[in-house]
Amino acid sequence: AQKITQTQPGMFVQEKEAVTLDCTYDTSDPSYGLFWYKQPSSGEMIFLIYQGSYDQQNATEGRYSLNFQKARKSANLVISASQLGDSAMYFCAMREDNYGQNFVFGPGTRLSVLP
Amino acid sequence: DTAVSQTPKYLVTQMGNDKSIKCEQNLGHDTMYWYKQDSKKFLKIMFSYNNKELIINETVPNRFSPKSPDKAHLNLHINSLELGDSAVYFCASSQPRQWRGKETQYFGPGTRLLVL
Repeated sequence: AQKITQTQPGMFVQEKEAVTLDCTYDTSDPSYGLFWYKQPSSGEMIFLIYQGSYDQQNATEGRYSLNFQKARKSANLVISASQLGDSAMYFCAMREDNYGQNFVFGPGTRLSVLP
Repeated sequence: DTAVSQTPKYLVTQMGNDKSIKCEQNLGHDTMYWYKQDSKKFLKIMFSYNNKELIINETVPNRFSPKSPDKAHLNLHINSLELGDSAVYFCASSQPRQWRGKETQYFGPGTRLLVL
């Protein structure tokens, strides 16, 4: 079974608008962490944001925020005020803290920001 | 200063050879990782190394072995390279995990391995 699902293979957004990238996860571990990464066409991996399963508040890092809905097992990434430089692949990932620190990635979503 | 560095950036080699990829971090982090990204961009964790504790992804062939001479280095050694090993390999490090605390990760630039 897929541990991390990203249902949007590709997304388009107009510059300066907000966009939400979906991520759902599956785990029975009560302690886990959720991660989002950005990979531009140049190939480097950039860590964006982290959410712990016990965190009461949604994580935010600048223009990035994580909409964490624990009961629904979703961890959507929200990018506000999109910029052309946000065009990239975005990966959601989960680490299960008690199951040998199992770390799994979703298949990614390719975001294209239109001028 | 580069936070996480990897060498080489490109590696082209013949099937059956043994090769190593080096990774160094100057952030004082306790945890380091190796990831593999295949041609379809699918990412998989291979190893994590935290305070001398090695956690291995059980799907990784034993031809792959991480070697950590010290806390700042986690090298990846690959024996008997196969065509399917062609991929991009990323090293990363993370801040020491505090219980229920925030975490960030820093990635190296990646090593593009091509096995012929």
